Amino acid sequence: KAGVTQTPRYLIKTRGQQVTLSCSPISGHRSVSWYQQTPGQGLQFLFEYFSETQRNKGNFPGRFSGRQFSNSRSEMNVSTLELGDSALYLCASSQGQATNYGYTFGSGTRLTVV
Amino acid sequence: GENVEQHPSTLSVQEGDSAVIKCTYSDSASNYFPWYKQELGKRPQLIIDIRSNVGEKKDQRIAVTLNKTAKHFSLHITETQPEDSAVYFCAADSGGGADGLTFGKGTHLIIQP
Repeated sequence: KAGVTQTPRYLIKTRGQQVTLSCSPISGHRSVSWYQQTPGQGLQFLFEYFSETQRNKGNFPGRFSGRQFSNSRSEMNVSTLELGDSALYLCASSQGQATNYGYTFGSGTRLTVV
Repeated sequence: GENVEQHPSTLSVQEGDSAVIKCTYSDSASNYFPWYKQELGKRPQLIIDIRSNVGEKKDQRIAVTLNKTAKHFSLHITETQPEDSAVYFCAADSGGGADGLTFGKGTHLIIQP
């Protein structure tokens, strides 16, 4: 079956702009989690969506938001981009909570803010 | 919240030797401890995981051990091969799973021919 699909793969944006990233989970998976990966901070949890509801949120500013649609596809939005938002954004798909089912990661969206 | 420390940050071993990566965690409520392998430019992939009711788990050349009392867990790779070269991340579930996974900073494993 198809894996986790993230689009676009690469993005270059200017400071102050906003950006929307998309993630399509594995068919049948209802949980989508988002992580930010940077060389300095490693992998950091952004939020988790399950059945269209945000279940958990990490320690990121309100500029980071997301949503999940009825088909389980999820979008992540970052407004008023800052240089420090440059990172690889990874989406993780799961049947349920990661503790019980584990994650399958997508290939990520590489965001560069200039 | 959960804090996961991972050591070493870089590990170089001769092909055929064993490699050990260690992690400690802070939240005694954590019950799930996965390990991910990330090759350069690729996505992290789950290679093995362990739950708190088990002390050790093996899958071919890979094993993970867990000591809940000491709050540490380790990844063991035996008979290392060139394709084992990658960054390895340990993780623990946060808040009993309520706050996603907390990852260690990663170990860059280099297999010397």
